[in-house]
Amino acid sequence: AQTVTQSQPEMSVQEAETVTLSCTYDTSENNYYLFWYKQPPSRQMILVIRQEAYKQQNATENRFSVNFQKAAKSFSLKISDSQLGDTAMYFCAFMKHANNDMRFGAGTRLTVKP
Amino acid sequence: KAGVTQTPRYLIKTRGQQVTLSCSPISGHRSVSWYQQTPGQGLQFLFEYFSETQRNKGNFPGRFSGRQFSNSRSEMNVSTLELGDSALYLCASSLPPGQRVNTGELFFGEGSRLTVL
Repeated sequence: AQTVTQSQPEMSVQEAETVTLSCTYDTSENNYYLFWYKQPPSRQMILVIRQEAYKQQNATENRFSVNFQKAAKSFSLKISDSQLGDTAMYFCAFMKHANNDMRFGAGTRLTVKP
Repeated sequence: KAGVTQTPRYLIKTRGQQVTLSCSPISGHRSVSWYQQTPGQGLQFLFEYFSETQRNKGNFPGRFSGRQFSNSRSEMNVSTLELGDSALYLCASSLPPGQRVNTGELFFGEGSRLTVL
């Protein structure tokens, strides 16, 4: 079974600074996706960034980037130039290819302080 | 393009009752998944439907059921409600696995907040 672990229940960062959220996962699969989703206080989950396991290059989306270490089964999210609107719950998620059963970590509550 | 629509947004039920939640996926998405979100257990996968067939099922009792219609709209039903069923129920739609343009992304609705008294 696949498990996803987020070891930081809560984090805070000053506006404009950089923060890194940690995630590890456990799987015997070779083909899979990894995701970071954001859930603001209004509740709707939105995709922040995704990574395909076969790609060695780390994904980036504007201020968001990941550090994907496949051998270590680690998938951290770096948020640069943090903004107040980044305040939210962040979920790390795993999904096998050819399967829409997405497994989530417990989440990290990020607060960006002015 | 309209997003995933879930109804109702909020509802209150009492123990022993049953509830039906509805989800309309993004147009063109034929796969619908359901998740339960609680403070204690986090996000847990309930089931996934594609082409009116349940393809995957999480570890929930038989009181939790679902179905999908020919227009890809989905409903989930919880019978004999228990206090522990109080949760945010999230629906997500996606392209089916194996479809070439599928990026794996799930698109979530805003959820249905169920309170069981």
